[in-house]
Amino acid sequence: SQQGEEDPQALSIQEGENATMNCSYKTSINNLQWYRQNSGRGLVHLILIRSNEREKHSGRLRVTLDTSKKSSSLLITASRAADTASYFCATARNTDKLIFGTGTRLQVFP
Amino acid sequence: SQTIHQWPATLVQPVGSPLSLECTVEGTSNPNLYWYRQAAGRGLQLLFYSVGIGQISSEVPQNLSASRPQDRQFILSSKKLLLSDSGFYLCAWSLGINYGYTFGSGTRLTVV
Repeated sequence: SQQGEEDPQALSIQEGENATMNCSYKTSINNLQWYRQNSGRGLVHLILIRSNEREKHSGRLRVTLDTSKKSSSLLITASRAADTASYFCATARNTDKLIFGTGTRLQVFP
Repeated sequence: SQTIHQWPATLVQPVGSPLSLECTVEGTSNPNLYWYRQAAGRGLQLLFYSVGIGQISSEVPQNLSASRPQDRQFILSSKKLLLSDSGFYLCAWSLGINYGYTFGSGTRLTVV
């Protein structure tokens, strides 16, 4: 079963704009992770945020986590055409397995 | 550095034929290994995971099986493929719950 649900399902923006994707989940977690998938390729790990953390940054990426609302957001600032991809959140509970959401398809137009 | 190899990249197989997909990891020891399947335009479904040689946990009852004959080798198999087995199969490894996953490049399987 899928633990996370991303919102929106699809997002189209112009280069230079910011992109925000949201993820909601259902149960308590140990950590939440975000991944990127280019079309027809494997997933690439972007960032991991632990349940006791509220915000984390990595380059142009900013992730927030609100465990009281069971939600997370991924912000990509100053987007580029190369950011075009699908983005997935994934949650880890108390086992060594990740459960992935359904993904957000991001299209960045030059 | 650690790398993960997954092959073949694409595969077209007739219904009822067997399947063997292989995944190997280099540069790390005793990784956790995972097989996921992704239907077109959908999220990832966890099929199997392994925390050690010979240890396989199955997440979804289905026509597939997995084996881990060596520490860094994970194999996905089927004796008789069904049309519903078509999809994009991804292998991944991690060092545990507090680490991200590293994914292979995937195998696109089409059962005809």
